[in-house]
Amino acid sequence: TQLLEQSPQFLSIQEGENLTVYCNSSSVFSSLQWYRQEPGEGPVLLVTVVTGGEVKKLKRLTFQFGDARKDSSLHITAAQPGDTGLYLCAGVLGRNQFYFGTGTSLTVIP
Amino acid sequence: NAGVMQNPRHLVRRRGQEARLRCSPMKGHSHVYWYRQLPEEGLKFMVYLQKENIIDESGMPKERFSAEFPKEGPSILRIQQVVRGDSAAYFCASSPQGTTSGNSYEQYFGPGTRLTVT
Repeated sequence: TQLLEQSPQFLSIQEGENLTVYCNSSSVFSSLQWYRQEPGEGPVLLVTVVTGGEVKKLKRLTFQFGDARKDSSLHITAAQPGDTGLYLCAGVLGRNQFYFGTGTSLTVIP
Repeated sequence: NAGVMQNPRHLVRRRGQEARLRCSPMKGHSHVYWYRQLPEEGLKFMVYLQKENIIDESGMPKERFSAEFPKEGPSILRIQQVVRGDSAAYFCASSPQGTTSGNSYEQYFGPGTRLTVT
């Protein structure tokens, strides 16, 4: 059973379009992280959200943590080819226990 | 400050051989996690270790797999008598002891070891 479900699983869009990726669970997390992974490399941490309802912005990326700390979303504005990659969310439970989502593979076409 | 280091980056083993994957955490980090990833999939948790202790190995297969994080030296993930199904990318991540930003824990990943079993 997967603790964190991400949707969509695959996304292919044109450069300049906006997109939103979702990360959902029935569990309450103490914090949630988003990572981006490029082929052949390890995941790179993008952001950590801690407080329910928290919104963080990283240039064209906007991350939101749900009020109940069970879900999160990642919104990308004016996507660029450099945004292509696998986006992973990870929820933290208890003592340093990380649970990763299923991943969203994003392709931005020039 | 060097990041998480893993070696080798690529490892080819024949069926029945042993694979040893090494992970050196970031300086000052005492928590190490091992994950396995198949193509186009997310990360599957295997084991969580602190120095000289296995904290959680609930994601580790009961047979052929073992992990250690000794007082000195890197963490080792060992796979005995490898089979073709063991072919995957294995990632190590480390995190610092205690909290970082506002009661949150953050993991930093190495580049991974790609194991191919022929």
